[in-house]
Amino acid sequence: DVKVTQSSRYLVKRTGEKVFLECVQDMDHENMFWYRQDPGLGLRLIYFSYDVKMKEKGDIPEGYSVSREKKERFSLILESASTNQTSMYLCASILAGTDTQYFGPGTRLTVL
Amino acid sequence: QKEVEQDPGPLSVPEGAIVSLNCTYSNSAFQYFMWYRQYSRKGPELLMYTYSSGNKEDGRFTAQVDKSSKYISLFIRDSQPSDSATYLCATSYSGAGSYQLTFGKGTKLSVIP
Repeated sequence: DVKVTQSSRYLVKRTGEKVFLECVQDMDHENMFWYRQDPGLGLRLIYFSYDVKMKEKGDIPEGYSVSREKKERFSLILESASTNQTSMYLCASILAGTDTQYFGPGTRLTVL
Repeated sequence: QKEVEQDPGPLSVPEGAIVSLNCTYSNSAFQYFMWYRQYSRKGPELLMYTYSSGNKEDGRFTAQVDKSSKYISLFIRDSQPSDSATYLCATSYSGAGSYQLTFGKGTKLSVIP
């Protein structure tokens, strides 16, 4: 079974803090993704990565950066957290040959 | 026009009912069609995926794709309270170095015992 794990299920941070969200997949997938999910807005793509040290902007990259130093790990960084970044953050990984993404359990981030 | 349209519901049905969830899409280049189930405060879980027009069945779930009308459906037979969740449709395209995956906004389903 594909397994995608995220470092935290719930996180509370203060405005201005630097926040790291970690995602690890154990299936040797090249492609990994970060989304945020908000009520009424659905899933929105923040960043994705096709390979180690490679990254591409998604639809809403502003205020975020990413890091992919190892194939299995994809990190999302909020350089200076703001209250409008309170959201559910979801990491996903692609099963090769099918274009179907498998998701982690999500991190619910609250920025106060 | 949004690329994937999905009725947000909410949809409420009695236990044992047949549920029909639907999406339309606009880009004829989409190749893969998926349904995800998402329980409250959890990540989406892949339910079914299909590559072509037609039906694909898995237990009580049937995914149907009609590429000619750009319409995808998920049917749930003998619905159970444990089926209560938000269902997301998704379509994808890849080729020539590009990749696109587009989700619907989800339909919230409640199955009442």
